[in-house]
Amino acid sequence: DQQVKQNSPSLSVQEGRISILNCDYTNSMFDYFLWYKKYPAEGPTFLISISSIKDKNEDGRFTVFLNKSAKHLSLHIVPSQPGDSAVYFCAASANYGGSQGNLIFGKGTKLSVKP
Amino acid sequence: NAGVTQTPKFRILKIGQSMTLQCTQDMNHNYMYWYRQDPGMGLKLIYYSVGAGITDKGEVPNGYNVSRSTTEDFPLRLELAAPSQTSVYFCASSRTGGYGYTFGSGTRLTVV
Repeated sequence: DQQVKQNSPSLSVQEGRISILNCDYTNSMFDYFLWYKKYPAEGPTFLISISSIKDKNEDGRFTVFLNKSAKHLSLHIVPSQPGDSAVYFCAASANYGGSQGNLIFGKGTKLSVKP
Repeated sequence: NAGVTQTPKFRILKIGQSMTLQCTQDMNHNYMYWYRQDPGMGLKLIYYSVGAGITDKGEVPNGYNVSRSTTEDFPLRLELAAPSQTSVYFCASSRTGGYGYTFGSGTRLTVV
């Protein structure tokens, strides 16, 4: 059973507009969430993260929102640029008795930003 | 900064052959991981290690083995390659578990 779900395999937006990538999770023990970005033929690279004690974290054009009651997080990219075209993975981990567990990844969403 | 280095980048294996995927990191990270990525399936954890001499199974360990004799190196061994092991393999490391991982650039393996 998938614990981290990215239900949209792909998303296409126009350059300059907002991109919103969504992620849902089922494990209520998750307390740390991350977004990774992956270009073809490269490894995933860390983009932004959020702890469960926050509901928003911002870094330049990237903002992650966390809605714990809905077990939902989203990544907003404003404004979107063609260089943002990549696969975005949502990931989460849980704290088990003081030890942080391994990251669990979603299946990814392929973002295409059209000039 | 090298970060996490994986070799080889590409490999074609015949069914039943064996090979070792190499992974080394120069960040003195205690935690290391092996993931596989199948098309449209995200990243699945094969094995991980929390320090030299300590390894543990992840979600999909069957058909693989690992060892961690040093902090820097975490090789992944395929003993009897099967077509189901055709995938892209990523090695990653982190200072502590469950937080930001640094990934290598991957090894694309095809078993025919």
